[in-house]
Amino acid sequence: GQQLNQSPQSMFIQEGEDVSMNCTSSSIFNTWLWYKQDPGEGPVLLIALYKAGELTSNGRLTAQFGITRKDSFLNISASIPSDVGIYFCAGPPGRGSGTYKYIFGTGTRLKVLA
Amino acid sequence: DGGITQSPKYLFRKEGQNVTLSCEQNLNHDAMYWYRQDPGQGLRLIYYSQIVNDFQKGDIAEGYSVSREKKESFPLTVTSAQKNPTAFYLCASSHVGNSPLHFGNGTRLTVT
Repeated sequence: GQQLNQSPQSMFIQEGEDVSMNCTSSSIFNTWLWYKQDPGEGPVLLIALYKAGELTSNGRLTAQFGITRKDSFLNISASIPSDVGIYFCAGPPGRGSGTYKYIFGTGTRLKVLA
Repeated sequence: DGGITQSPKYLFRKEGQNVTLSCEQNLNHDAMYWYRQDPGQGLRLIYYSQIVNDFQKGDIAEGYSVSREKKESFPLTVTSAQKNPTAFYLCASSHVGNSPLHFGNGTRLTVT
């Protein structure tokens, strides 16, 4: 079945550093979503991307929809301790098939050292 | 404020008992979903519903059942047939089409 591979699986960084993570798919996606999940809570939507090549920012976060439509990237600038959590990519595979079966990556676990 | 409410936050049950998890949304979303999350893993789809009185199985529907009698509500029953029910359960909703999912804060079910 279709899978989303997130990289890296986990990372420890110093406060103030920039963070980069990516997500790759074995098939084409029409939408890429990035979520953050705090421990014991539900995921919260950070950024949604709808067009190949699209670059969207949300505060210190910037995400890009890859040109091949099989990957997406999330960058966090000047990390702070509250950025700690698990970051998930997700998307609905298929070309307008009407499926609502979103696929989620396995997550990138971020820890920020003060 | 609009949102998705899951209850209870923590649930404990004895093996062999059925248990129902509640999910209510006031976002006027047509589609609702149930996901299961295990430690260190991503989210796996259990069931989803695009419209009232209709729902489809996801990737791991065995041992679970749902109903969608109202647009706002999508309860999930974990039956005794589910072999490994202890997990974190997340409910989500969205508009139809490729719209982002909005999640509740989850229910942690522990079965002993």
